[in-house]
Parts: sequence; structure tokens; C-alpha cells
Amino acid sequence: AQKITQTQPGMFVQEKEAVTLDCTYDTSDPSYGLFWYKQPSSGEMIFLIYQGSYDQQNATEGRYSLNFQKARKSANLVISASQLGDSAMYFCAMRGATQGGSEKLVFGKGTKLTVNP
Amino acid sequence: DVKVTQSSRYLVKRTGEKVFLECVQDMDHENMFWYRQDPGLGLRLIYFSYDVKMKEKGDIPEGYSVSREKKERFSLILESASTNQTSMYLCASSSPGLWYEQYFGPGTRLTVT
Repeated sequence: AQKITQTQPGMFVQEKEAVTLDCTYDTSDPSYGLFWYKQPSSGEMIFLIYQGSYDQQNATEGRYSLNFQKARKSANLVISASQLGDSAMYFCAMRGATQGGSEKLVFGKGTKLTVNP
Repeated sequence: DVKVTQSSRYLVKRTGEKVFLECVQDMDHENMFWYRQDPGLGLRLIYFSYDVKMKEKGDIPEGYSVSREKKERFSLILESASTNQTSMYLCASSSPGLWYEQYFGPGTRLTVT
């Protein structure tokens, strides 16, 4: 079974600084995908970034990048130049399978990021 | 602008009531999902549907059922609400090719008293 661990319940960062949100994972599948979602206070989860296990380069999307270290089984999210609007819950997830064999997202418990002015 | 809407943001029901949570998406997505979110537990999949009238159990289907009669609408039903079903319920949709890029609604915070 797949498991995602986010060890930081809360993180604080000053505006304009970079911040790293930790995520470690466990799976026995040779091929897997890793994802990050953002949940602002409005409640709607927003897809941020995807990394495939065979991708040679770390994924980037604007100010978001995924620091993928396969040997360490980590997929940390790096947010550069933090903005006040980045304050939110962040969830790391990976591809799993339902009992019926369909693909599903397995989520971590989340990290609450607060950006201070 | 893509949109997933949920019928209520807040709902209060009594133990034993039958509860319907509605979700509508306007993106013509085949996949639709229902999650519950509890503090310290993250999101857990209740049910999902990959086509009209098709459904599959997720991780925690007990006490819930679903209905998908039209492509754009996916309903979650609590047959007999219990206090341990007090939670935030999130609906999502996605296309089959990008199943992981799920678009979420704003959630329904359900309280069962």
C-alpha cells in the first residue's frame, strides 16, 4: 500500500522568502506519481504540480518546484518568493489503487503554511 | 472557468436522517469523486464514479452510497446519518487522461447532532 508522510503540521515563512514543505512516501510500485495540492481557506483544493517516478528532471510550475529524491523517497515542494496568497494547507499525494484496481490519490495529512508580511 | 459546485457549504442534520450531498461539474468530466476531510487525517476517498451509472468504492464507503444518473452530477447519500459522519465533504472531477488533476468544489461542512 502507498503511504504519504508530511511531518510538518505548520510552517511559517516571511514574504518573498523561499520555503520547503517536506513529503516522504512509501510504495513498492516501480512506477508511481507524486502530486501536490493547495487548499486555501476557501476550501477548494487546487492541483499544483506532478512528478513521475521516471522523470529525469524535477518538475516545475512557475514558483513551485518539486525536489524529487528517489533514493530518499522524498518529494518536497519548494515555493520560491513566497506571497501572502500562498498561505494555505498543502497536501502531498501519490498514486494509489482502489480495491477495484482503479487509480486514486493517497493524501498526506497536510502542512499549514503561513506567510508573514 | 472550470467549476465544481456543491449544493451547500454548511449543513446541520440530526442522527438517523437521510442526507443528500449534491455535486455538479461543468467540465464534461467522466470521473467524479467524493472525499471526506478530517483534521489530522487528510483526505480519504469515499466513492468515485468513472461514468454515468458506474461507481466504485473508495477507502471508507461504509455508511455511504452514491448516485450518478447524469454525467455532470454526482450525489453522496448518507442513508442514516451518525455523529461520526460529521466532517468536511469534498467533491472533485477529472478527465480520464489526467485523472490526478482533480478539480474540487468548495466543500460541504456537515454536522450531525
